Amino acid sequence: EAGVTQFPSHSVIEKGQTVTLRCDPISGHDNLYWYRRVMGKEIKFLLHFVKESKQDESGMPNNRFLAERTGGTYSTLKVQPAELEDSGVYFCASSPNSGPNTGELFFGEGSRLTVL
Amino acid sequence: AQTVTQSQPEMSVQEAETVTLSCTYDTSESDYYLFWYKQPPSRQMILVIRQEAYKQQNATENRFSVNFQKAAKSFSLKISDSQLGDAAMYFCAYRRTRNRDDKIIFGKGTRLHILP
Repeated sequence: EAGVTQFPSHSVIEKGQTVTLRCDPISGHDNLYWYRRVMGKEIKFLLHFVKESKQDESGMPNNRFLAERTGGTYSTLKVQPAELEDSGVYFCASSPNSGPNTGELFFGEGSRLTVL
Repeated sequence: AQTVTQSQPEMSVQEAETVTLSCTYDTSESDYYLFWYKQPPSRQMILVIRQEAYKQQNATENRFSVNFQKAAKSFSLKISDSQLGDAAMYFCAYRRTRNRDDKIIFGKGTRLHILP
């Protein structure tokens, strides 16, 4: 079974440009989370989808960030326009809403974003 | 607000020795989950061990064990017989409820080096 996959693995863009990150969760996982880690800081929660609905978007930093999960499958996170402080590693994670409730999240390898 | 604190940005241990990573957290909840996640270089973050707050017994997974001190809000990870493959970033994490759709909060991480 495929794990959580993220694309691209690394993106380098100029300030003011747009970047779209994609996450494919594990098939059948209703919960999808986006997190971000800025160098040397904690992994910060951005938002949480349950299927196609935004359950919690309290961590989204501002309206330059737009997350979607059309159809409740893969998700995209768009940053437009990108600023220097948006640099970091963006992690996606998924978990199921059925089966044993272990609390475990399954993570992708992350998408590293560098804004110059 | 719930917070997770890891006070050791980096640690080193000799191969085959034992090392303890510290974590404290702040919460007003009584029933919650605690986790240790591991992220090897350029690889996905994976769950190492978890502890349910209502369980007094410390969780163990092979060479990994925790010292859960609920009153002190402390949750340290002990790695016995350290191996080269244990080199990674270790993140302590907390989820405030057993609800499947509740978010997980992470600390800043501890980078563990294994010395051959």
